Amino acid sequence: DGGITQSPKYLFRKEGQNVTLSCEQNLNHDAMYWYRQDPGQGLRLIYYSQIVNDFQKGDIAEGYSVSREKKESFPLTVTSAQKNPTAFYLCASISRGLAGALFGNEQFFGPGTRLTVL
Amino acid sequence: AQKITQTQPGMFVQEKEAVTLDCTYDTSDQSYGLFWYKQPSSGEMIFLIYQGSYDEQNATEGRYSLNFQKARKSANLVISASQLGDSAMYFCAMRETYNFNKFYFGSGTKLNVKP
Repeated sequence: DGGITQSPKYLFRKEGQNVTLSCEQNLNHDAMYWYRQDPGQGLRLIYYSQIVNDFQKGDIAEGYSVSREKKESFPLTVTSAQKNPTAFYLCASISRGLAGALFGNEQFFGPGTRLTVL
Repeated sequence: AQKITQTQPGMFVQEKEAVTLDCTYDTSDQSYGLFWYKQPSSGEMIFLIYQGSYDEQNATEGRYSLNFQKARKSANLVISASQLGDSAMYFCAMRETYNFNKFYFGSGTKLNVKP
């Protein structure tokens, strides 16, 4: 079955440690995204990547880093510089297409990772 | 300025009744797309419905319909015949031509369906 997998589902980290969240998709999608969601809040964009070896900062990129070495993988590293990393992290992907032709393509989301800093 | 505004943090509806969740958006693009997602307590994001800016008819998907008023820049979600399983967070999102692969999300509306 095609889809997006995120691991782990729950992650605990000590203060001062870097941690990497995994996101893998087998949908052959070009663009991938990382969002952060705090309790009762909406989604805020951390980073996104439209093609391999390229990515752009979103609205809250400080304290995070990403890589896109393979089309199917877009790992997110939460660094010690991120002051309040406890949150729910969602990965998403979409098939990049021509505007107008595939404008209605929705984002597909993974199940998310809940990160807690102890 | 907020790209997507959802002004109802929480809503209650009686089972089997219809409910409207509000969404207004801000864009200067002529071509854009509007989406609604449902997020149950498990956290997964479930795509519900899409409306293109040039679509003349309101989008419908089963019990979901989108009340699209372009001049008012509103894209309200209507859920007919509410079910207990509809209790969840609902997010409105927009995609613009200018930055085609960036999506803007609203802050969400928590819907509670009462038996």
